[in-house]
Amino acid sequence: AQTVTQSQPEMSVQEAETVTLSCTYDTSESDYYLFWYKQPPSRQMILVIRQEAYKQQNATENRFSVNFQKAAKSFSLKISDSQLGDAAMYFCAYRSYNNAGNMLTFGGGTRLMVKP
Amino acid sequence: DAGITQSPRHKVTETGTPVTLRCHQTENHRYMYWYRQDPGHGLRLIHYSYGVKDTDKGEVSDGYSVSRSKTEDFLLTLESATSSQTSVYFCAISVKGRTGELFFGEGSRLTVL
Repeated sequence: AQTVTQSQPEMSVQEAETVTLSCTYDTSESDYYLFWYKQPPSRQMILVIRQEAYKQQNATENRFSVNFQKAAKSFSLKISDSQLGDAAMYFCAYRSYNNAGNMLTFGGGTRLMVKP
Repeated sequence: DAGITQSPRHKVTETGTPVTLRCHQTENHRYMYWYRQDPGHGLRLIHYSYGVKDTDKGEVSDGYSVSRSKTEDFLLTLESATSSQTSVYFCAISVKGRTGELFFGEGSRLTVL
């Protein structure tokens, strides 16, 4: 079974600064998807960014970008120009490409605090 | 908005009582999921469904059952609630044509005293 590990339970960043959240995963598969979800205090789960393992280019979405290291099984999220609204729980998730059930496996989460 | 609603949004119950959480979707998606969220564990899959009356177990299925008699509704039942089932429960759907992501409901907070 695949496992996803987020080694930083909490992180803090100064507003307008850059922060990187770490995620590692364990899999024997070569084709898969990786995701970062954001959960603000409203509890809603919001997709931040997605990476397909066959793509060498790192995904970016505005201020959010990833550093995908397939050989190292690492998938970190970089948030640039941090804003107060970025304060949330962030979850890394994995999905096998050949997963018939389409389910995701999640890491334990990182709580990000943004200081004004 | 993926058209997912969960009910109830909050519930407090006592140990040993049955509890049913409902997930309703408006767009006839085939795959539906129940996850629970606990501090330090992220979200863990309880059960999922791949069609009417077609369900399968997830990672933490003990103590839970599910039913899907209609495409739009996926029910999660705790036959006899225990304090260890105090959690936030999320329903999710997989949307055909989207690349792998899940869309989540707003969560149901269950407290078992």
